[in-house]
Amino acid sequence: AQKITQTQPGMFVQEKEAVTLDCTYDTSDPSYGLFWYKQPSSGEMIFLIYQGSYDQQNATEGRYSLNFQKARKSANLVISASQLGDSAMYFCAMREGREYGGSQGNLIFGKGTKLSVKP
Amino acid sequence: DGGITQSPKYLFRKEGQNVTLSCEQNLNHDAMYWYRQDPGQGLRLIYYSQIVNDFQKGDIAEGYSVSREKKESFPLTVTSAQKNPTAFYLCASSLTRLAYYEQYFGPGTRLTVT
Repeated sequence: AQKITQTQPGMFVQEKEAVTLDCTYDTSDPSYGLFWYKQPSSGEMIFLIYQGSYDQQNATEGRYSLNFQKARKSANLVISASQLGDSAMYFCAMREGREYGGSQGNLIFGKGTKLSVKP
Repeated sequence: DGGITQSPKYLFRKEGQNVTLSCEQNLNHDAMYWYRQDPGQGLRLIYYSQIVNDFQKGDIAEGYSVSREKKESFPLTVTSAQKNPTAFYLCASSLTRLAYYEQYFGPGTRLTVT
């Protein structure tokens, strides 16, 4: 079963508007971390934001915020005031478990959403 | 400036040849990773290493080999046994493998085998 699901292969947004990129996850581990990465056409993966499973508040980093709904197992990325430079692939990822060892420490990626910002 | 370097950015090889992709980090991170990305896909884990002289297979290790002789370096060899080696390869590191530490990525190496 897929552990990370991103249902939007591609999305368009008008410059200066907000956009939400969807991510749902599947885990039975009570301790996990959720990450969003941006991949521009150059290929490098850029870390955007992190949410821990025990965090009480939604994470925010500048124009990025994470809408974390634990009961629904969703971790949607919200980008406010979109800019042309936001056009890129966006990947949601999860890492299970606090402890070392085994495959639990590995980052599991979704297939990504391609965001295009229109001027 | 701290970061991860991968070289070269583009690599071309003939089928049947082994090729080694380099990955160096100066972030003093314990954990390092190698991922493969195919067009339109997410990242898949090839190998990871938690400490020097230790590494573990990821989800798609067949046809690949690694070494971790120094903390800073985690080279990946794509052997002739890898059936579809043409892909984009990303190296990453994190402070440890604990859940709340993000991974930092290098710029990637695009390997084409003909």
